[in-house]
Amino acid sequence: DAGVIQSPRHEVTEMGQEVTLRCKPISGHNSLFWYRQTMMRGLELLIYFNNNVPIDDSGMPEDRFSAKMPNASFSTLKIQPSEPRDSAVYFCASTQGQSNEQFFGPGTRLTVL
Amino acid sequence: AQSVTQPDIHITVSEGASLELRCNYSYGATPYLFWYVQSPGQGLQLLLKYFSGDTLVQGIKGFEAEFKRSQSSFNLRKPSVHWSDAAEYFCAVGPPGFQKLVFGTGTRLLVSP
Repeated sequence: DAGVIQSPRHEVTEMGQEVTLRCKPISGHNSLFWYRQTMMRGLELLIYFNNNVPIDDSGMPEDRFSAKMPNASFSTLKIQPSEPRDSAVYFCASTQGQSNEQFFGPGTRLTVL
Repeated sequence: AQSVTQPDIHITVSEGASLELRCNYSYGATPYLFWYVQSPGQGLQLLLKYFSGDTLVQGIKGFEAEFKRSQSSFNLRKPSVHWSDAAEYFCAVGPPGFQKLVFGTGTRLLVSP
């Protein structure tokens, strides 16, 4: 299995631009999680989906952030407009069934200038 | 609400010495417990997990962890540290049957020659 796939691995953009991060979960996994990691705040859960339905988005920082999961094999996290304080590493993780064991992707390092 | 405390932000250990990383959790019942490792520039990789049964669990890379209900702890140990173990280690807790995890703030392990 290829594991969780994230793209791009690195993204540099200017303040005000739209940013879209992509994730492909492990085939057969039915839950998907988006995390943000910074030095100041550590690892934060932004949102998670179960069977393509958003279950908990309480960690989404503000309306500039949105996430979708149109099908079981693809999810996006969009930031519009982006701000310098959004600079972080964004991780996607997936799991299956009732298991809590999450498998993480390699992350996308986002830099907003 | 669940919470996880990793009291040590940084730990330095000499190569070949033993290691213990501390993790305490707060939860009303016995949760599922995990240790993840994150190497620089990488995603999180599962080291080991505890669901039930034997309170001493073995993981990958020679790590083990012991669940102590009376102390609400799940400390990670390794008898002899290798330079390649230098990384950040995260403890996580999740309620059985729910996929969401709560992560600790992490402990950065430095290995000295």
